[in-house]
Amino acid sequence: GQNIDQPTEMTATEGAIVQINCTYQTSGFNGLFWYQQHAGEAPTFLSYNVLDGLEEKGRFSSFLSRSKGYSYLLLKELQMKDSASYLCAVRWTTSGTYKYIFGTGTRLKVLA
Amino acid sequence: DAGVTQSPTHLIKTRGQQVTLRCSPKSGHDTVSWYQQALGQGPQFIFQYYEEEERQRGNFPDRFSGHQFPNYSSELNVNALLLGDSALYLCASSLGGSIRETQYFGPGTRLLVL
Repeated sequence: GQNIDQPTEMTATEGAIVQINCTYQTSGFNGLFWYQQHAGEAPTFLSYNVLDGLEEKGRFSSFLSRSKGYSYLLLKELQMKDSASYLCAVRWTTSGTYKYIFGTGTRLKVLA
Repeated sequence: DAGVTQSPTHLIKTRGQQVTLRCSPKSGHDTVSWYQQALGQGPQFIFQYYEEEERQRGNFPDRFSGHQFPNYSSELNVNALLLGDSALYLCASSLGGSIRETQYFGPGTRLLVL
C-alpha cells in the first residue's frame, strides 16, 4: 500500500533553519510535493521533486532520495509567518493516471 | 489569472441531508480533484475528473459522487450525510497529462453536519 510519514509537530526560533522530514512507501512513484497550509486555509504549493537531489526556491529547499523513499523540506531564515502546517504529498501512477496521497502534516511553530 | 474558486465557503447541514459543493478550476486547467480534510489530518483523495469523466477514485463510499462540466468546473455531491462527513472539502485543479502536473487548491468549503 501507499504510506507517508512525517513528524507531527516541530518548534524553531525566528531566524533559524528547520528541516522537516518525510518518508514514504509507494509503488509507481511519480513525484513528491510540499505544501504549506495555514490554519483554516487551503494548502499552497511550495515545491516539487521528481528526480533525486535538491531543488531551491528562495528560503525554501526540498530534497529527494527515491532509493531511500525520503524527502525533506528546508526552511531558512525562519519568519513568524512560516508558522503553519507543512504537507508532504506523493504522486503515483496507476492505470495510466495519477493519484496523490498526503501525509498528515507537520505543524511548525516559529517562536520569537 | 483567476485561481481555483469554491462555493459555498461554509455550510451547515443535518444528518441524512444531501449537499452539493462547487469548484471552478484555475484558468487553463482541465482536471479537477476533490479532497476531504478532517481537522488535524492531511487531505484524503475522493476522486478526480478529467474530460467530464471520473478518472480516479479514492476509498470513499458511493454516497460521494461528482460531475465535471464542459467548462471544466465540477461539483461534489454527498448524499445521506453523516456526522463524520464534517470536514473541509478542498478542490484542486491541474493540467492533466503534464509531466510536471501540479495541483493548485481552492480555499475550500467547510461543511458541518449536525
